[in-house]
Amino acid sequence: GESVGLHLPTLSVQEGDNSIINCAYSNSASDYFIWYKQESGKGPQFIIDIRSNMDKRQGQRVTVLLNKTVKHLSLQIAATQPGDSAVYFCAEITSGAGSYQLTFGKGTKLSVIP
Amino acid sequence: EPEVTQTPSHQVTQMGQEVILRCVPISNHLYFYWYRQILGQKVEFLVSFYNNEISEKSEIFDDQFSVERPDGSNFTLKIRSTKLEDSAMYFCASSAGTGGNQPQHFGDGTRLSIL
Repeated sequence: GESVGLHLPTLSVQEGDNSIINCAYSNSASDYFIWYKQESGKGPQFIIDIRSNMDKRQGQRVTVLLNKTVKHLSLQIAATQPGDSAVYFCAEITSGAGSYQLTFGKGTKLSVIP
Repeated sequence: EPEVTQTPSHQVTQMGQEVILRCVPISNHLYFYWYRQILGQKVEFLVSFYNNEISEKSEIFDDQFSVERPDGSNFTLKIRSTKLEDSAMYFCASSAGTGGNQPQHFGDGTRLSIL
């Protein structure tokens, strides 16, 4: 398959600033979306999720925004910390079609500058 | 916090050999999954498993692959005759359910290197 390793979008932010990571999803019938964080050598770690009947959900320091009209998902991280440095993936599920497999996006690498 | 654990962390195997990757899902979870991630690429779904049978599988999950829950705690992925292109990170995941607020939790993966 296509290698995206050398072309992974990268976001560099200063420690303490807010980060916004964007994702365009593919299936307009998807009804459940999740953001995962993947640190080097680790598996994807659940951050926050949102159902398609919502347009915003807040967690601790994180907010997910969903715009179904343009099939866009964003993750906002407040007061970014060095420990937030990782690759962030959005994922979608189309449960209405009886499928519960996660379809992952390509990922964005977040680098936090101390 | 309960975790999904996977062993081994790294498996090196000759092409054509069989490998078994092992996972211990979170104990009260009922749905189990395998995903793989080729170096530098996105995570791809392989298979989901519920009630002792495969629920879904992707095109990647061909006849060389099989899954099994041999006892009440383990969930395994077997690749019968490995190919060079099977080299990847393999992640196991589990979930309590399939709806919202029941996300899939991932292990840290097994790196499979085929020589």
